[in-house]
Amino acid sequence: DAKTTQPPSMDCAEGRAANLPCNHSTISGNEYVYWYRQIHSQGPQYIIHGLKNNETNEMASLIITEDRKSSTLILPHATLRDTAVYYCIAHAQGGSEKLVFGKGTKLTVNP
Amino acid sequence: DAGVIQSPRHEVTEMGQEVTLRCKPISGHNSLFWYRQTMMRGLELLIYFNNNVPIDDSGMPEDRFSAKMPNASFSTLKIQPSEPRDSAVYFCASQGQAGAQYFGPGTRLLVL
Repeated sequence: DAKTTQPPSMDCAEGRAANLPCNHSTISGNEYVYWYRQIHSQGPQYIIHGLKNNETNEMASLIITEDRKSSTLILPHATLRDTAVYYCIAHAQGGSEKLVFGKGTKLTVNP
Repeated sequence: DAGVIQSPRHEVTEMGQEVTLRCKPISGHNSLFWYRQTMMRGLELLIYFNNNVPIDDSGMPEDRFSAKMPNASFSTLKIQPSEPRDSAVYFCASQGQAGAQYFGPGTRLLVL
């Protein structure tokens, strides 16, 4: 899997959009971008994934650049409960199922 | 769906004792993963199964650790004998065809 780079921490005001960046400049054509988050004392939670098109679900939106070298996870209206560590992972489906979790971004949503 | 179920949620044991952690994956998911998380090492994959068959156990720290998946709805991770350095949170996750992994709440293990 390609290496990903994320800022170690970010802050966001409650009710505002949280935009979490991820660089994956060595991503392969068959690798998807997955986002997970881990709220304190809980198991990691799947958020969203995409290959090259932008994706949206009930939790978040994923914007992938045209060259696929970076992406942004958007939480449109952050709440205090969105405070968590967010992990961006580049992973190819169909091969080894092994995911490698890096250090992620600690997002703190402030009131 | 109840999600991935793990038991026990907390375990305190003494060094040298056997510890067995249990996991029930989401029905219909064909891959199951065991992870360990510590402050020092983060989240590490220990082993994963596909259709009940162990595929990659390269993350299992040593022979004291063993994992089984006797059927599609149950897996165990056993540590025998346990040591203080095994203290961690152990997560089980299952994955279906779409590629996303769904994690259980974890078992917090403390070995004294």
